[in-house]
Amino acid sequence: AQSVAQPEDQVNVAEGNPLTVKCTYSVSGNPYLFWYVQYPNRGLQFLLKYITGDNLVKGSYGFEAEFNKSQTSFHLKKPSALVSDSALYFCAVRDMGSWGKLQFGAGTQVVVTP
Amino acid sequence: EPEVTQTPSHQVTQMGQEVILRCVPISNHLYFYWYRQILGQKVEFLVSFYNNEISEKSEIFDDQFSVERPDGSNFTLKIRSTKLEDSAMYFCASSDQAGAQETQYFGPGTRLLVL
Repeated sequence: AQSVAQPEDQVNVAEGNPLTVKCTYSVSGNPYLFWYVQYPNRGLQFLLKYITGDNLVKGSYGFEAEFNKSQTSFHLKKPSALVSDSALYFCAVRDMGSWGKLQFGAGTQVVVTP
Repeated sequence: EPEVTQTPSHQVTQMGQEVILRCVPISNHLYFYWYRQILGQKVEFLVSFYNNEISEKSEIFDDQFSVERPDGSNFTLKIRSTKLEDSAMYFCASSDQAGAQETQYFGPGTRLLVL
């Protein structure tokens, strides 16, 4: 079975500092990995995905993620966090044996303080 | 930018009542999904739908649940006889392709409360 884990319930960072949100995965075969963000009272917004190719994936709003096969990780990063980045972040893996079913992590709350 | 929309944003119902949650996917998308998130828990897959048929469903999606695309724009989730444990946020998603390049775009969700 495929799964993702987000080991941190919450990440606190000061504005302007680097932001990292951790995700590890467990899959059989090649992983298709995603990051989504959820702002209050909003749906899940797609940030970026890894399918194949470069291990560093760039996405929306200045976010990027690094795929590391040996560590089975797909950490989300932003070089300089903004207060407006405060939100709930979800890592997800797509089940390759199915019609697009996404398996989500538990989510990590990011709090960026001024 | 095209968005997935969902109505209503909130729904309160009595246990045993039927509810219909509505979604308008992005207009050129062909693949549709429902997920739910019980408060404090993970987002869970319910069902995928393509070409007017269910492609896959989870164990959660039992006989009390059904999906339909009644016209060219709407995609609905019906719960025939709601239970307390159906209280959750329900998300609709759509994509324009299956396979490796697929990206699912989510709506804002419907918060369902069963009393």
